Amino acid sequence: TQLLEQSPQFLSIQEGENLTVYCNSSSVFSSLQWYRQEPGEGPVLLVTVVTGGEVKKLKRLTFQFGDARKDSSLHITAAQPGDTGLYLCAGLMRGTYKYIFGTGTRLKVLA
Amino acid sequence: NAGVTQTPKFQVLKTGQSMTLQCAQDMNHEYMSWYRQDPGMGLRLIHYSVGAGITDQGEVPNGYNVSRSTTEDFPLRLLSAAPSQTSVYFCASSYSNRGRNEQFFGPGTRLTVL
Repeated sequence: TQLLEQSPQFLSIQEGENLTVYCNSSSVFSSLQWYRQEPGEGPVLLVTVVTGGEVKKLKRLTFQFGDARKDSSLHITAAQPGDTGLYLCAGLMRGTYKYIFGTGTRLKVLA
Repeated sequence: NAGVTQTPKFQVLKTGQSMTLQCAQDMNHEYMSWYRQDPGMGLRLIHYSVGAGITDQGEVPNGYNVSRSTTEDFPLRLLSAAPSQTSVYFCASSYSNRGRNEQFFGPGTRLTVL
């Protein structure tokens, strides 16, 4: 059973456009992480959010954790070809050390 | 620091063969995990460990065994390989930083079972 649903699954946009990726669940998480994965490599951590309502910004990327800690979003402003990759969210199950990953969003930014 | 290392990078097995995927980390992390990644399914947790001598099952543990005799090493054993185990396997380690458990991943092992 997939506890974390990501949308959209695929996204192809032009350089300079903005986009938002969503990560939704009916479960409450202790924390939520976003990763980016390049072909042939392991995922690389972008950010961890812990507090409900928390917003974190990394340059052109803005991450938000839902107030109820069940969902999250990743917003990219003025996308660049270097943003191309597979974006994964991962929730830490409460009271455990288990991470549940979302299904992933494959982003392609065209020059 | 080498971070998280995995060997081998590629492996082809015949149905019924056994093998061990190696994972090591040099960051003195308490927690280590094994995931498999299949197209369109993100990463699924196979087994994890919260310290030497302590392991537990994840979402998809059947057909896999683990042990954690040292903090550094967390091998994954396939007892009798099946085509359904064809996948990319990732090992990860993490520490707890005031609730912000940061996971670091190895480069992966690409396994094909014929």
